[in-house]
Amino acid sequence: DTGVSQNPRHKITKRGQNVTFRCDPISEHNRLYWYRQTLGQGPEFLTYFQNEAQLEKSRLLSDRFSAERPKGSFSTLEIQRTEQGDSAMYLCASSLGDSNQPQHFGDGTRLSIL
Amino acid sequence: AQKVTQAQTEISVVEKEDVTLDCVYETRDTTYYLFWYKQPPSGELVFLIRRNSFDEQNEISGRYSWNFQKSTSSFNFTITASQVVDSAVYFCALSEPYFADGGATNKLIFGTGTLLAVQP
Repeated sequence: DTGVSQNPRHKITKRGQNVTFRCDPISEHNRLYWYRQTLGQGPEFLTYFQNEAQLEKSRLLSDRFSAERPKGSFSTLEIQRTEQGDSAMYLCASSLGDSNQPQHFGDGTRLSIL
Repeated sequence: AQKVTQAQTEISVVEKEDVTLDCVYETRDTTYYLFWYKQPPSGELVFLIRRNSFDEQNEISGRYSWNFQKSTSSFNFTITASQVVDSAVYFCALSEPYFADGGATNKLIFGTGTLLAVQP
């Protein structure tokens, strides 16, 4: 049973650079979520896809952030013009389409902004 | 507003002790789901349990048990005979059906977590 896969595991970049993260969900899962987790906090919801449609975006997701799921399989999260405050763990989760099936999380991508 | 409160920031116990992690939630909906996740030092969130708002039966799974009380809006988690491998951050989360374009989002609202340290 292959779980949710995220790449890269770690990303270190200079302020102002663009970064892109990838998430491969569990293959039969049509729902995909992105969360952000900072030190000592619980994950915070960023955005949600059902198949290829992005159905909800949090106000946390500024216009520097964009997410896609072009064919309803893998997803990418891009951050443009990174800022110090973007440093966090970015978590991807997927679930089946039935109401409130548990979300299964990947290992996350840890972003550090120098 | 939806909110999950885990008042215990850190708990330290000695192996074989029982420990209870508290979770209090706020919601205006009558239909909602509650979850517990474990985050070991490796970082991956591991799903432990889901409970819907209409099922107040307590549940036991091995050394784990959960006590859901709607009257106090609490969903507490007890580990019996704790082990060093139980050391992790435990998160309680709330999900409400949110219907966007006919589909429920089911985004999770997490508490701030409780760091459990089990000493040998």
